[in-house]
Amino acid sequence: AQSVSQHNHHVILSEAASLELGCNYSYGGTVNLFWYVQYPGQHLQLLLKYFSGDPLVKGIKGFEAEFIKSKFSFNLRKPSVQWSDTAEYFCAVKGGGATNKLIFGTGTLLAVQP
Amino acid sequence: NAGVTQTPKFRILKIGQSMTLQCTQDMNHNYMYWYRQDPGMGLKLIYYSVGAGITDKGEVPNGYNVSRSTTEDFPLRLELAAPSQTSVYFCASSYDGLAGGTDTQYFGPGTRLTVL
Repeated sequence: AQSVSQHNHHVILSEAASLELGCNYSYGGTVNLFWYVQYPGQHLQLLLKYFSGDPLVKGIKGFEAEFIKSKFSFNLRKPSVQWSDTAEYFCAVKGGGATNKLIFGTGTLLAVQP
Repeated sequence: NAGVTQTPKFRILKIGQSMTLQCTQDMNHNYMYWYRQDPGMGLKLIYYSVGAGITDKGEVPNGYNVSRSTTEDFPLRLELAAPSQTSVYFCASSYDGLAGGTDTQYFGPGTRLTVL
C-alpha cells in the first residue's frame, strides 16, 4: 500500500530563514507528487506538483520541490520564508490505478516568526 | 467560477442525529471526493466518485454514505452521528480525462462538525 511520511510535524523559523520540509513516500511504480498548503482558516491549495520530466519543480510563492527517485523523496524548499508562509503543508502522492486517489501525509505545521 | 462550495461551514450535532453535508462544484469535474481532517492525522479519504452514478469507498467510509446523482453535487450523509465523527470535512473535485490521469484536486472551504 502507498504511504507518505512527513517527519517534521512542527517547524518554527524566523523570517528570511531557509526552509526544507521532508516528504518520503512508499510506492515502487510511477508516482505523481503534490504539495498542498493550508493557510489558517482556509482550504487546501496546490503549491506545486510533479508528474514527469525535470525533477526540480517550481511552484507558487517561491516554493520548489525536488523529486529524488532513488530516495523516494519529494522535499519542499524555499530560500527565504516570510511571515505569510505560516501554514500547514501537506505532501501527497498518487500512484498507479485509475481512481486518481491521493494519499496525504500527516502535515507539517510551519510557524514563521517576524 | 465559484469552484467547490460546501455547506454548512459549522455544525454541532447530538449523538445519534443525522445530517447531510453538501458539496457542489461548477467546473464540470468528473471526479469528486470527501475527506476528513483530524489534527496530526492529515487527510483521510472517506468516499469518492468518478462520475455521476458511480461512487466507491475510500480509507474511512464507516458511518458515512454518499450519492452522486449529478456531475455537480456530491453530498455526504451521516446517519447516526458519533463523537468519533467530530472533524473537519473537505470536499474536492478534479478532472480526469483518461484513466489513471493526474489532474489537480481542488478543495472546498470545509465543514467543521462537532458531535456532542
